[in-house]
Amino acid sequence: EIVLTQSPATLSLSPGERATLSCRASQSVSSYLAWYQQKPGQAPRLLIYDASNRATGIPARFSGSGSGTDFTLTISSLEPEDFAVYYCQQRSNWPPDTFGQGTKLEIK
Amino acid sequence: EVQLVESGGGLVKPGGSLRLSCAASGFTFSSYSMNWVRQAPGKGLEWVSSISSSSSYIYYADSVKGRFTISRDNAKNSLYLQMNSLRAEDTAVYYCASRGVGAKRYYFDYWGQGTLVTVSS
Repeated sequence: EIVLTQSPATLSLSPGERATLSCRASQSVSSYLAWYQQKPGQAPRLLIYDASNRATGIPARFSGSGSGTDFTLTISSLEPEDFAVYYCQQRSNWPPDTFGQGTKLEIK
Repeated sequence: EVQLVESGGGLVKPGGSLRLSCAASGFTFSSYSMNWVRQAPGKGLEWVSSISSSSSYIYYADSVKGRFTISRDNAKNSLYLQMNSLRAEDTAVYYCASRGVGAKRYYFDYWGQGTLVTVSS
């Protein structure tokens, strides 16, 4: 089973700042990696798929990069609604789908 | 508009059973792989089970294999999860989720709002 490790666990930033979230896989997942955003009391929402493709309706300030074992989600300029928990998910070696443990992006 | 609406959650004693349902609308349900993903209170996401569009392929996480059964009824646009021999560690919000199409077929494109299952004596 592929293990995804996200860092940092918590990221404290202010609106307007740039956020950089990391997801590292225990073995190569090629580009089969997605990012999800989850706000309190809500279901997750697909942001990025295949490492770098934005899902429908996702603002351009969200971007993904990486391949193999190291991936990054970047939010270029934080809006108030971006403060949430972010998860990565791999589908390279399946089943199972595996998720990272999450990064909480909080307001500083 | 795609909608996934889960139901059937509740409080159950250890060793008990529960059947979750997910009603789908706004898309061609019979063409999509469907899944259950759960989230324990305050914890991360865990994939539970997947079923292909025609029910030909079914997969389970090791943590639920032999205890949970996924099924679907394409005529009723519905997905189910029969949960037996429930344990305290099965306590979670259970989400119904569909995979996407094309390049998004490997990922969870649409999610329901979730239904809470609590296993406690």
